[in-house]
Amino acid sequence: GQNIDQPTEMTATEGAIVQINCTYQTSGFNGLFWYQQHAGEAPTFLSYNVLDGLEEKGRFSSFLSRSKGYSYLLLKELQMKDSASYLCAVFRGGSILTGGGNKLTFGTGTQLKVEL
Amino acid sequence: DTEVTQTPKHLVMGMTNKKSLKCEQHMGHRAMYWYKQKAKKPPELMFVYSYEKLSINESVPSRFSPECPNSSLLNLHLHALQPEDSALYLCASSQDRPLEQYFGPGTRLTVT
Repeated sequence: GQNIDQPTEMTATEGAIVQINCTYQTSGFNGLFWYQQHAGEAPTFLSYNVLDGLEEKGRFSSFLSRSKGYSYLLLKELQMKDSASYLCAVFRGGSILTGGGNKLTFGTGTQLKVEL
Repeated sequence: DTEVTQTPKHLVMGMTNKKSLKCEQHMGHRAMYWYKQKAKKPPELMFVYSYEKLSINESVPSRFSPECPNSSLLNLHLHALQPEDSALYLCASSQDRPLEQYFGPGTRLTVT
C-alpha cells in the first residue's frame, strides 16, 4: 500500500525559512519529487531526490533519507508568491523504454501561507 | 517549447454526453499521463502511455477511455460520466532522463 503524509497547513513570514516534511511508506521506491501548485493551476516541478542527502536549487532545497522514509523541502527567503500547496510525490517505475513510465503517487499536500 | 497544452479549459457535460479532452506536447517526451484531481486533494494517476502504448491503467472505470494517436497527442474520451467525476483533469509528459513530469494547465470538468 501507499502512505504519504505531509502537514496539512503551515504559515510562515516573508523572508523567513520554512521546512515542509514528508514521510512515506510505499511498496516500491525509486525517488521522491516535490511539486508546487498554486490554486487553480497545474503542479510545477521543484526538485527530486533519488539518493540520500540534500539537493539544492536556488531558494529551494530538498533532503531525502531512504532508510527513514523521510524527506523535507526547505524554502529560504520566503516571498508572498510562495504561498501555494506543496506536494511530495513518490516515484515508482522503470524506464519508459521498458514500458513502465514514471508512476507518481502524491502526498496529501501542504498548504503554505506566507504572511507579511 | 517546454509546454503541455490542454483543451478545453472548462467543460460542462451531461451524464449522457460524449466528450473528449485533448493534450499536446512538443518536447519529444515519450511518456504521457492522465491525472484526476478533486478539490483540495492531490492528483491521482489514471493512465500512463509509454511510446504510444498504454502501460498503466489504475483501475479506472471504462467510462474513461484514453487514446494516444501519436507521440505528441493524448486524448481522454468521456462517456456516461457521473457527477462525482467532476474534477480537474491534468495531463503530463516526461522522458526517461530527467525524470520530472511536466503538467498541463488542466481541464476543469463539471458533470451535471
